[in-house]
Amino acid sequence: DAKTTQPTSMDCAEGRAANLPCNHSTISGNEYVYWYRQIHSQGPQYIIHGLKNNETNEMASLIITEDRKSSTLILPHATLRDTAVYYCIVSRNTGKLIFGQGTTLQVKP
Amino acid sequence: ETGVTQTPRHLVMGMTNKKSLKCEQHLGHNAMYWYKQSAKKPLELMFVYNFKEQTENNSVPSRFSPECPNSSHLFLHLHTLQPEDSALYLCASSQGEGTGYTFGSGTRLTVV
Repeated sequence: DAKTTQPTSMDCAEGRAANLPCNHSTISGNEYVYWYRQIHSQGPQYIIHGLKNNETNEMASLIITEDRKSSTLILPHATLRDTAVYYCIVSRNTGKLIFGQGTTLQVKP
Repeated sequence: ETGVTQTPRHLVMGMTNKKSLKCEQHLGHNAMYWYKQSAKKPLELMFVYNFKEQTENNSVPSRFSPECPNSSHLFLHLHTLQPEDSALYLCASSQGEGTGYTFGSGTRLTVV
């Protein structure tokens, strides 16, 4: 499975959009981009995933570049409860989820 | 509640004890997983089960012994653990490998 690169940490003001980048330059054609988040001492929570097209759900939007080598998770109106570690994972639909270090997002009042 | 329930939430055990962690999912999923998360480290995949059959063992020491009696239940039997095995143990389930995983809240294990 392809490796991802994420910034170690980011800050965001409450009520503003949080844009979390992820590089996955070695992604294969059959690999999806998944995003999960983990609030302190809880289990990770699925956010969204996509293959080629941009995706949106009630939690977030996922923007994937045309060459699929990078993506951005967008939380449109961040709240204090969005403070968490965000993981970007690339995996085949039949593959395992291998977690990296993720990005620690701190939402500040 | 996520639909994946882990018990106990916290466990303290001595190095000579035998204990078991339990995971139960009410989502009708057919794949279940054990992950280990040590302090300030990424989640490490330990075991994968598909339709009750173990399909992956990521070089986990034999002092960790998984059991999957059916698609809804997963156990992790622990014996003669070391202090470095202290960690958060997370169970997850999915409809198939790579589809959206649902995680439990984890068991915080401390080996003394």
